Amino acid sequence: DSGVTQTPKHLITATGQRVTLRCSPRSGDLSVYWYQQSLDQGLQFLIQYYNGEERAKGNILERFSAQQFPDLHSELNLSSLELGDSALYFCASSADRGLLADTQYFGPGTRLTVL
Amino acid sequence: AQTVTQSQPEMSVQEAETVTLSCTYDTSESDYYLFWYKQPPSRQMILVIRQEAYKQQNATENRFSVNFQKAAKSFSLKISDSQLGDAAMYFCAYIPNTGNQFYFGTGTSLTVIP
Repeated sequence: DSGVTQTPKHLITATGQRVTLRCSPRSGDLSVYWYQQSLDQGLQFLIQYYNGEERAKGNILERFSAQQFPDLHSELNLSSLELGDSALYFCASSADRGLLADTQYFGPGTRLTVL
Repeated sequence: AQTVTQSQPEMSVQEAETVTLSCTYDTSESDYYLFWYKQPPSRQMILVIRQEAYKQQNATENRFSVNFQKAAKSFSLKISDSQLGDAAMYFCAYIPNTGNQFYFGTGTSLTVIP
């Protein structure tokens, strides 16, 4: 158990809908990262938040957005869903003291299926 | 550009034998971290081992060890006494010391043969 929690574990929805994925980082970790893993593919970095503020953006679509709340949990919002958005979405957290990188610990993932 | 390459899409090993998974990376940074993550069928991403670039000594975690060749930008993972539970997809990852984004390789699928 990495200490990172994600809810829900599974999500099935229809095209055009909007969903919210939730992540709680390990106790004390300030950074939250979101990744997308499509079937049989590697992990694509979406976005990073550090202590409530966006720090880095990767290949995140405009239909997707995220935020990190004062209690450091984070939510990833996916809207106008398309079939191609079906994937495993991971959240990871790390201590990241200041600007220095640190080990990322991954949650169990949320499996999104868009029908 | 910072890239991570895993040239072996699939590998297999007999139970109790040793296997080495390859990883190369490209960077102009001098200080960075390298990782191996394991993704079993459950799809959970599990940290296997971590190496700091400034350390010359290769990292070791029980049956897992790395061969870190900084000049060659090579970071291979050796699994000794392979067990059935080692069967998984293995991802090599890189992050610069002052970076934000992990760069992952495309993964190597390891099969352990009883």
